[in-house]
Amino acid sequence: GENVEQHPSTLSVQEGDSAVIKCTYSDSASNYFPWYKQELGKRPQLIIDIRSNVGEKKDQRIAVTLNKTAKHFSLHITETQPEDSAVYFCAASRGYSTLTFGKGTMLLVSP
Amino acid sequence: EAGVVQSPRYKIIEKKQPVAFWCNPISGHNTLYWYRQNLGQGPELLIRYENEEAVDDSQLPKDRFSAERLKGVDSTLKIQPAELGDSAVYLCASGPRGYEQYFGPGTRLTVT
Repeated sequence: GENVEQHPSTLSVQEGDSAVIKCTYSDSASNYFPWYKQELGKRPQLIIDIRSNVGEKKDQRIAVTLNKTAKHFSLHITETQPEDSAVYFCAASRGYSTLTFGKGTMLLVSP
Repeated sequence: EAGVVQSPRYKIIEKKQPVAFWCNPISGHNTLYWYRQNLGQGPELLIRYENEEAVDDSQLPKDRFSAERLKGVDSTLKIQPAELGDSAVYLCASGPRGYEQYFGPGTRLTVT
């Protein structure tokens, strides 16, 4: 089955800096890669996703890049703000099948 | 648009007792998922429904867990009997026929 590795497990940045979270996946047939943000005690929220037919997608301050050859994808957050502090999960799936999640990255943005 | 609704939000039970969780997906979403999330971990799928059919239950511990999705809308997940290791957050998610999944607030289960 699919295996998703996520790094780093924790990330501390100063407000205004950029943050990058990286994930690798094992199943070369995976073609859907979402990112979820989970604040303490709350539900995971889909913040951005990418499909394997594109290499990059942006939405305001967040972007995701995908390297199919290397089987890794990354989340980039620019101009970080304290409200970006949360746990971020990457995930991967093949078509309509089950999402496999990474173990999460705790992002702390200090004012 | 209303989100995924789950109840109860919190449940504390003694081991060996039964427990049930309820989920109401976003209207029109054919696919419904139950996940378990342990502290400090990502969600892990227990079961996935397409309408009323369970299409992936390979990770559901069938000796004690059961689920149903009557009429292809609401769903119930049951544990009987509960064990200490079942303490976790149980998340329901739904999605249209496709890729996106939207999560409910979860039920935090504590087994003592």
